[in-house]
Amino acid sequence: DAMVIQNPRYQVTQFGKPVTLSCSQTLNHNVMYWYQQKSSQAPKLLFHYYDKDFNNEADTPDNFQSRRPNTSFCFLDIRSPGLGDAAMYLCATSRDRGTHEQYFGPGTRLTVT
Amino acid sequence: GQNIDQPTEMTATEGAIVQINCTYQTSGFNGLFWYQQHAGEAPTFLSYNVLDGLEEKGRFSSFLSRSKGYSYLLLKELQMKDSASYLCAVRQTGANNLFFGTGTRLTVIP
Repeated sequence: DAMVIQNPRYQVTQFGKPVTLSCSQTLNHNVMYWYQQKSSQAPKLLFHYYDKDFNNEADTPDNFQSRRPNTSFCFLDIRSPGLGDAAMYLCATSRDRGTHEQYFGPGTRLTVT
Repeated sequence: GQNIDQPTEMTATEGAIVQINCTYQTSGFNGLFWYQQHAGEAPTFLSYNVLDGLEEKGRFSSFLSRSKGYSYLLLKELQMKDSASYLCAVRQTGANNLFFGTGTRLTVIP
């Protein structure tokens, strides 16, 4: 059974049109992460939640926002997507702080036209 | 800050052994991870080292030397399905997140 679920798997949006990507988990993990991975590059952390505490990486553009309404769900909002935001967006969870293993979802591949 | 270096690409033969190296610089080291990522799929966890030495898990082993800022992933009895990218990632002390290298794309040939 899928433990970290991302919807949709593929998303096409227009330049400047807001888009929301979703992630849900059945693991009841405290920590949820959003990574951006561009072609042939490393996954880059955008932000993470420890429970309800939001932690933004210093170089994450303001164009990217996140919401975590409850333990199971986390959303990535891109307010005005640019062509450079086309990438795979990976959601991951870990049980708690200091827990070493992160579980990744299958990712959402975003195309900006 | 952090810096991670891995070879970009490697090729190995089915049934052989391959070693993928990773060197890193970081302040406050708190663990090194290896993930496997097939094309178009999410990374999956392979191994974790926080102390010096070798961790073995089936056909996969991972080694760490903290003093040298060095790790390797050893894959034995290579199979065609092992063709994937292998990502080295480091966690800093007090941080939850991982800092990933760009990955090594391994191609296994018959």
